[in-house]
Amino acid sequence: QVTLKESGPGMLQPSKTLSLTCSFSGFSLSTSGMVVSWIRQPSGKSLEWLAAIDWDGDKYYNPSLKSRLTVSKDTSNTQVFLKITSVDIADTATYYCARRWYYGPEVYWGQGVMVTVSS
Amino acid sequence: DIVMTQSPFSLAVSEGEMVTINCKSSQSLLSSGNQKNYLAWYQQKPGQSPKLLIYYASTRQSGVPDRFIGSGSGTDFTLTISDVQAEDLADYYCLQHYSYRTFGGGTKLELK
Repeated sequence: QVTLKESGPGMLQPSKTLSLTCSFSGFSLSTSGMVVSWIRQPSGKSLEWLAAIDWDGDKYYNPSLKSRLTVSKDTSNTQVFLKITSVDIADTATYYCARRWYYGPEVYWGQGVMVTVSS
Repeated sequence: DIVMTQSPFSLAVSEGEMVTINCKSSQSLLSSGNQKNYLAWYQQKPGQSPKLLIYYASTRQSGVPDRFIGSGSGTDFTLTISDVQAEDLADYYCLQHYSYRTFGGGTKLELK
């Protein structure tokens, strides 16, 4: 059974760095074709794809946010991380991690973690 | 960047009706290599994560009722829900995964 779960700080101040963790089970990110993505959704708004990392360690970023994002994974291939630097109120959202297969759509999603940026 | 324009923003329906949701991409999502359209549809209910309904424009995900039908090719796509049920009331999003990923703005399906 594939499961993903996001964790994060809940709230942080503007200009700080947001660190998120996606812990998953039921698959290994070392398996060829596996990709884990990060996607966010401000309350009441649409979804925005942020970044992804694949089984080979290749990383992909939303061009409009690339300078602020860093995606990585742990050596055991059971966790993926996302860092967003210099956060702003506009980064307040629910952050999801999700799994896909090669270039397919994201199929398995975590429950999401809400992050609020506020002074 | 590929822009996804989804319409309508909201739709009020009665149970048993048929509805269509449209998604238009700023460039073709059709791969010349495998002739697949890299377009997916998701359903999101309040407080839940998005659920994949349709992929490659018209392939229903396992377990999705056959009243959900995806169609279209190139730049114009449609999600049709025939015989709408109360459980279908949700937000719907299209996603292009041809180049990076971009979601449509969403369509809220409400009860009339």
